[in-house]
Amino acid sequence: KNEVEQSPQNLTAQEGEFITINCSYSVGISALHWLQQHPGGGIVSLFMLSSGKKKHGRLIATINIQEKHSSLHITASHPRDSAVYICAAPEVQGAQKLVFGQGTRLTINP
Amino acid sequence: ETGVTQSPTHLIKTRGQQVTLRCSSQSGHNTVSWYQQALGQGPQFIFQYYREEENGRGNFPPRFSGLQFPNYSSELNVNALELDDSALYLCASSMGQGVSYEQYFGPGTRLTVT
Repeated sequence: KNEVEQSPQNLTAQEGEFITINCSYSVGISALHWLQQHPGGGIVSLFMLSSGKKKHGRLIATINIQEKHSSLHITASHPRDSAVYICAAPEVQGAQKLVFGQGTRLTINP
Repeated sequence: ETGVTQSPTHLIKTRGQQVTLRCSSQSGHNTVSWYQQALGQGPQFIFQYYREEENGRGNFPPRFSGLQFPNYSSELNVNALELDDSALYLCASSMGQGVSYEQYFGPGTRLTVT
């Protein structure tokens, strides 16, 4: 079964800083998901990626399949980016079930 | 294009009661997954429905059951509610079975069991 680990668990930064959140997983997968959850709120899918890099606005996600590692970067961070960021991977290749990392609580101060 | 919606938003029930939560999937999606998220924890997979059939189940007792309708909307039913069932219940729809498709999450239903 896949084990998904994120780091750091908590991250506080100043507005404008470049943010990196890391995710490692133990089982080879076809796709990894990055999700965002605001306090008390539902979850928003940011990226699903299976190779290389994806960019959406100030968010960039990369994945290295060989090293079983993915990163989420936020450029020019803003207080509205404050949220919990979660990476999730299939339990096993082809599974119906996502295994979630423990989440990274990001706080961006003005 | 309508996103994923869930109802109700909030619900308070008493231990032992039964509850039904609803999820309308995004247009064109045929798969719905349900998750339970306890306070301060990550989501836990309950089950997935693909084209009206259960297509995988997590480590939840049989009192958690579900349905998917021909329009691909879905229900989660929980019988004999326990205090530990208090959580945010999330559904996610996608274009195919499994989780190698982008998952579109609803806003969740917050269930409190007293």
